[in-house]
Formats: sequence, C-alpha cells, structure tokens
Amino acid sequence: EPEVTQTPSHQVTQMGQEVILRCVPISNHLYFYWYRQILGQKVEFLVSFYNNEISEKSEIFDDQFSVERPDGSNFTLKIRSTKLEDSAMYFCASSENRAKGRVNTEAFFGQGTRLTVV
Amino acid sequence: GEDVEQSLFLSVREGDSSVINCTYTDSSSTYLYWYKQEPGAGLQLLTYIFSNMDMKQDQRLTVLLNKKDKHLSLRIADTQTGDSAIYFCAESIDRDDKIIFGKGTRLHILP
Repeated sequence: EPEVTQTPSHQVTQMGQEVILRCVPISNHLYFYWYRQILGQKVEFLVSFYNNEISEKSEIFDDQFSVERPDGSNFTLKIRSTKLEDSAMYFCASSENRAKGRVNTEAFFGQGTRLTVV
Repeated sequence: GEDVEQSLFLSVREGDSSVINCTYTDSSSTYLYWYKQEPGAGLQLLTYIFSNMDMKQDQRLTVLLNKKDKHLSLRIADTQTGDSAIYFCAESIDRDDKIIFGKGTRLHILP
C-alpha cells in the first residue's frame, strides 16, 4: 500500500541552526501538508502546498519556515534558525486532487519526524 | 475560531465498548474524522463522516454525529488490546482543506 515517508525519524539540532525535514508524498498526490504536534498538545496545521505554491498557511508558519518541492518526489520543510519551542513532532501529509465528479480521497500522514532543539 | 475538544484519557476493560466523545465549534465543518495514533507511528485515518449524516458504522466502529450540538462520538465495540492508542477527533471544511485536530484521547485497555 502506498505510504508517505519521512526522514529522519528523529533529529536533534542546536538552537539557531537550520534544519530540513524531508517527506516523500504518495506519488500521484497533488496536495501536500505539514503539521506539527508539540508534546502533549494538539496536532496543528502549518502549511498546505499545491501546484508548486503555498495554498494556505497558519500563523505558526512565519518567515523562519519555508517549504519546497525541489524535484518530482520530495517535499521539504525548512526551519531557518531553530528555537527551543520548535521542538515537536512534524507530520507530512499528502492527498489526491479532487477530480471532476469524484470526491477527493483522504489525507495520508507520514510517521513523523521528531525534532528536538537543544 | 475553530476548535475541537475531547477528553484526554479513557480506560476500558477488554471486551467492553469504548466511547470517545468530541465537540467542535465550527458549524461549517463538512468532514469530521477520527484518526488513530499508535506509539511511534503516524496518524491513521480510522473513519470519517459527512456533516449531513447522523451515523456511520464500519465493522466494530460506530460514529455518531449530533450536528445541532456539534458533538461527535466514536464507539469501538468489543475493545481489544490492539485498540490501545491515541484517538484524534478532527474536522475540516473541505477534503483538501487544513484539518483541525483535537488534543487526542488516550485509550487504555484494562485486562
């Protein structure tokens, strides 16, 4: 069964360093998302991406964050200068576009990357 | 703003039914979801319901929606040890829209 894969599963980085979280969405999907879950808190929407541009972003997704689809398969989240409060589990998700006359399928989530900023 | 609330913990004896409750605030929510997260794993969609439905049943899972009260519940019949996980209630306005999650209910199975 196709799945969304994320690497690495756990990343430790020093405060102020740049970090790139990688995701390989399901190959025929066209919508891509990043969510994060701070320990003990809700899963929060960060950003959605479609047709090579951001379609929506939350207030969390400030100038420190950026997303990119550098090739046909990867979808990355970059945090330019990490802060302690960026420590969280980051989930990537992808979904298929709503084709004419057909309801879109669900968003499939990856297993997450646990980011620890020290 | 949009918000989804659910209780944080539920303990149930193996073989009993589990009922996890959730309330949401956005009346324009069209899709309501239940996701399951096992330890060390990602978010797995268990089931979803359209806002124009009252109930959806899928094997041991029953979802009930009270749109007037903005209340969603997930019933797991004959709860097994493998059902031990965190269950997230979630909603979205459209299938391609962002998903708003609750904090998750940790289901603990007692022997």
